[in-house]
Amino acid sequence: EAQVTQNPRYLITVTGKKLTVTCSQNMNHEYMSWYRQDPGLGLRQIYYSMNVEVTDKGDVPEGYKVSRKEKRNFPLILESPSPNQTSLYFCASRGQGGRYGYTFGSGTRLTVV
Amino acid sequence: GQNIDQPTEMTATEGAIVQINCTYQTSGFNGLFWYQQHAGEAPTFLSYNVLDGLEEKGRFSSFLSRSKGYSYLLLKELQMKDSASYLCALYGGATNKLIFGTGTLLAVQP
Repeated sequence: EAQVTQNPRYLITVTGKKLTVTCSQNMNHEYMSWYRQDPGLGLRQIYYSMNVEVTDKGDVPEGYKVSRKEKRNFPLILESPSPNQTSLYFCASRGQGGRYGYTFGSGTRLTVV
Repeated sequence: GQNIDQPTEMTATEGAIVQINCTYQTSGFNGLFWYQQHAGEAPTFLSYNVLDGLEEKGRFSSFLSRSKGYSYLLLKELQMKDSASYLCALYGGATNKLIFGTGTLLAVQP
């Protein structure tokens, strides 16, 4: 089944403790992206990647890092999480010329206390 | 910029028709997407408009007018399961960037 897999689904952590949210897609998609979703603000792009070793900042990149060492994986790294990073996070991928937009993962609900 | 505006909330009755509007200001884009999102779940693809006009897909249709900076999603024969947020998103550029509006929360009542 074609899908984007994120882990974990839920995570509660403490301020300053480094964490990684994994994202993997099995569709051989070139484009991958991370979004966060907050009430009243909608989905905002954090980082995106156009292909292996090609990444760039989205609209809200502060406090996040990403890497794209393999085509299928695009982990999101929070080096020193803070409470304002409490949010619902989505990873998404898209192929070349796809008219179906991004396929989204199931989401990761992160709480930083 | 690509300001995208949608009504925050709408209410409609089961079996009825509802139109959800999306207006935008942008210097250019490839196409416009509509996604459906149930609370706490991932957005799922509904429609994609590149050219002006109406795209029909079963109970769902989407319209785009580039000259007016306007799109709408039309939902017919509403069902209770259509209660969800509907997200308008502009897609464009070499980076395949997808910019979302804040979404419209639709409540379908019996």
